[in-house]
Amino acid sequence: DVKVTQSSRYLVKRTGEKVFLECVQDMDHENMFWYRQDPGLGLRLIYFSYDVKMKEKGDIPEGYSVSREKKERFSLILESASTNQTSMYLCASRLLYEQYFGPGTRLTVT
Amino acid sequence: DQQVKQNSPSLSVQEGRISILNCDYTNSMFDYFLWYKKYPAEGPTFLISISSIKDKNEDGRFTVFLNKSAKHLSLHIVPSQPGDSAVYFCAARGSSSNTGKLIFGQGTTLQVKP
Repeated sequence: DVKVTQSSRYLVKRTGEKVFLECVQDMDHENMFWYRQDPGLGLRLIYFSYDVKMKEKGDIPEGYSVSREKKERFSLILESASTNQTSMYLCASRLLYEQYFGPGTRLTVT
Repeated sequence: DQQVKQNSPSLSVQEGRISILNCDYTNSMFDYFLWYKKYPAEGPTFLISISSIKDKNEDGRFTVFLNKSAKHLSLHIVPSQPGDSAVYFCAARGSSSNTGKLIFGQGTTLQVKP
């Protein structure tokens, strides 16, 4: 079974803080993705990576950056958290056509 | 510009009856479609998929139908069970995408009443 894990299930941060969300997959997948899920908006792609040190912007990259130093690990960074970044963050890893998701991190920025 | 749309935010169905979830898309270059199911506080899980060269794919209680001329797909759940209550997302992949990038709809919340 593919396993995608995320470092935290729930996180509360203050406005202006730097936030790191980490994702690890154990299936040697090349492609990894970060999404945010908001009610009525579905899943929106923030960034994705198709190889180590390779990254590409998704649909809503503003205010975010990513890091992929090792194949199994893909980190999402909020340089200066803002209240409009309060959301559910989902990491995914790709096998063929299907993407496999982690459990999500519910981030609240106060 | 929403390329994948789920126009019904919610659907309520009686246990044992059929649930039909709908999805429309605008890009004729999409070559693969997927349905995901998501429970609260969990990540989405892959449910069923269909290639653009087919018009139907069935897996147990779940069947996905694709109508390319109408740019429409639907997910049928028969019979519906209370455990099927969740948010359902449809997703599409562009044929030019070799990175596996998917475009998701907004989701439909299904409630199956006992």
